[in-house]
Amino acid sequence: KNEVEQSPQNLTAQEGEFITINCSYSVGISALHWLQQHPGGGIVSLFMLSSGKKKHGRLIATINIQEKHSSLHITASHPRDSAVYICAVPLNSNSGYALNFGKGTSLLVTP
Amino acid sequence: DGGITQSPKYLFRKEGQNVTLSCEQNLNHDAMYWYRQDPGQGLRLIYYSQIVNDFQKGDIAEGYSVSREKKESFPLTVTSAQKNPTAFYLCASKRDVYYTFGSGTRLTVV
Repeated sequence: KNEVEQSPQNLTAQEGEFITINCSYSVGISALHWLQQHPGGGIVSLFMLSSGKKKHGRLIATINIQEKHSSLHITASHPRDSAVYICAVPLNSNSGYALNFGKGTSLLVTP
Repeated sequence: DGGITQSPKYLFRKEGQNVTLSCEQNLNHDAMYWYRQDPGQGLRLIYYSQIVNDFQKGDIAEGYSVSREKKESFPLTVTSAQKNPTAFYLCASKRDVYYTFGSGTRLTVV
């Protein structure tokens, strides 16, 4: 099974700070997903990436396939960024390519 | 707009009662999944289905049942055999490499 580890587990930042969340996985993958979960539970897909870097607004996701590591960066953080950020990788065909999720990083951005 | 609808958002049931959580998608996705989330834990796979009339157990299927009679629908029944049913339940679907997520149902059993 492809184990997914995220760090840190909890993160508090002041508005405007640059934030980095890390994700490591154990088995080579075709793509890695970054997701956002707001209080109340709804999950939104932020990025799917298989190589290099992707940027969307103030969010940047990078992946290093050789090191089996990905990072999610938030530039100029804002209180509305407060949420749980989750990294996920697909399992293999034996599990119907279901996603295996990390435990998430709970981010609180204070004004 | 296409998406996944989970209903209800919050559900309360008495201990010993079966309860069915709804998951409907209009994305024409073949694969659908049910996950459970407990506080401080990652989402764990309960059941998945890759085609109509076929489904497979995930890591924590005990105490749950599903059906896939239509491509659009993948309901999850939490039976009285599930020892700790209080949790957040998430439905997802997939086509090719693209996943879509529902908004979840928070089940509380009292």
